[in-house]
Formats: sequence, structure tokens, C-alpha cells
Amino acid sequence: QQQVKQSPQSLIVQKGGISIINCAYENTAFDYFPWYQQFPGKGPALLIAIRPDVSEKKEGRFTISFNKSAKQFSLHIMDSQPGDSATYFCAASRGGQNFVFGPGTRLSVLP
Amino acid sequence: DAGVIQSPRHEVTEMGQEVTLRCKPISGHNSLFWYRQTMMRGLELLIYFNNNVPIDDSGMPEDRFSAKMPNASFSTLKIQPSEPRDSAVYFCASSGRGQGEVYYSNQPQHFGDGTRLSIL
Repeated sequence: QQQVKQSPQSLIVQKGGISIINCAYENTAFDYFPWYQQFPGKGPALLIAIRPDVSEKKEGRFTISFNKSAKQFSLHIMDSQPGDSATYFCAASRGGQNFVFGPGTRLSVLP
Repeated sequence: DAGVIQSPRHEVTEMGQEVTLRCKPISGHNSLFWYRQTMMRGLELLIYFNNNVPIDDSGMPEDRFSAKMPNASFSTLKIQPSEPRDSAVYFCASSGRGQGEVYYSNQPQHFGDGTRLSIL
């Protein structure tokens, strides 16, 4: 029940395309859903986050869609760029303490 | 502002040796987390502290691992004795209200750049 499932494991997108990564959780007590971006040799960096009282949050080219009833949330990257090539992790937490991370999606954006 | 600082960045040592990883959280943050990242298991939470007190160490793999936070600006993760299967990248992260920041009930974690540990 503490798991966060994430798909796909890897994703290849053409420059300018839309990248979509999906996550699902079981624990309804989770109340915070961040997405992290990780480049090789670096730690994960917060990209965007959402709370379950909203269904969508947009920051620039990055959008989180949240479906509370289905216990699913997704990251959409519009106009994907080669610089977006990285590993993306979804996560969920309760009270900002018990963070659980998905297994990650390796995104490659082709020029 | 300085982020989370981890040292060393790389550590190569022989099986059986003691390994100590260090972390300096962001000033003002009151929660600190230690993670291990491997290809097979992804990001695993090992232990986290709140106000220097260990809250949940259920992720610590075995008694060979120990973590301390003697004050708000420093934490260590120690492995003694080390084994080849401990080879991984170890991350420290902190969260909380830093200086000048607005408080939210859920605070994002800020990660260091990790320590790449290789046990031969």
C-alpha cells in the first residue's frame, strides 16, 4: 500500500512532442504528490508538485494532472526539448514526511 | 544560497572497512532524509530525522548501518563493516522552512548531489 507505480520505464520522444508519464498509488492518506527530475551525476530536483484538492497544475511546459478517484496522476511535458532528457520520478507523501518514490522513467528527447 | 552539501562525492573502499558519509542540510530546514539509489531498487528511503530526532529508520537495511544527527546542521550515515552489496549512490535531502520562505504543511525535499560508494 506504500508503493507508487510508474510507467513507462523509458520513453523516447521527438523534439517538440508531448511526453507523458503516469503514476498510480494505493494509500489514500497521501496528501502531496511531487515530481522530480534527475540528471546523471546529480540528485533529484523538484520539478512540480500538486495537492489532492486540485485536478491540474501547470508550470510553464510542465503540467500535472491528478485524478483522486482513480488514485492516479501524470506529468505532461509539452514541446519536449533535448534538455528535458533526464530521469523523472513521481513521489507521494503524507504530511511531508513519509516520501515514497516511483521507480523512475528515463526520458530521451531526440533532436 | 547553498543547497544540501554531501561529502565525499565518491568513495571507494575495500570490503570490511568502515564508511562514513556526511551531509549538511539547508540552513533552517528541520527534516533530513537519507536515501540509497541503485538500478535494481531505485530510490529507497533509509531513515529520516525531524528536529534532529530519528523518526523512522525502518528502511535501514541492517545493523551495519547507523545514522546520527548531532545538531541541525550535520548528519552522518555510517556503514560498518561495509560489503560489496552496499555499493550505491547515497543521497541526503532536507526539507522545511528555510530562511525567508513561506511555510507550507508539505515541504518539498531538496537533494544533495550524492555520494557514489563502491565497495570492492
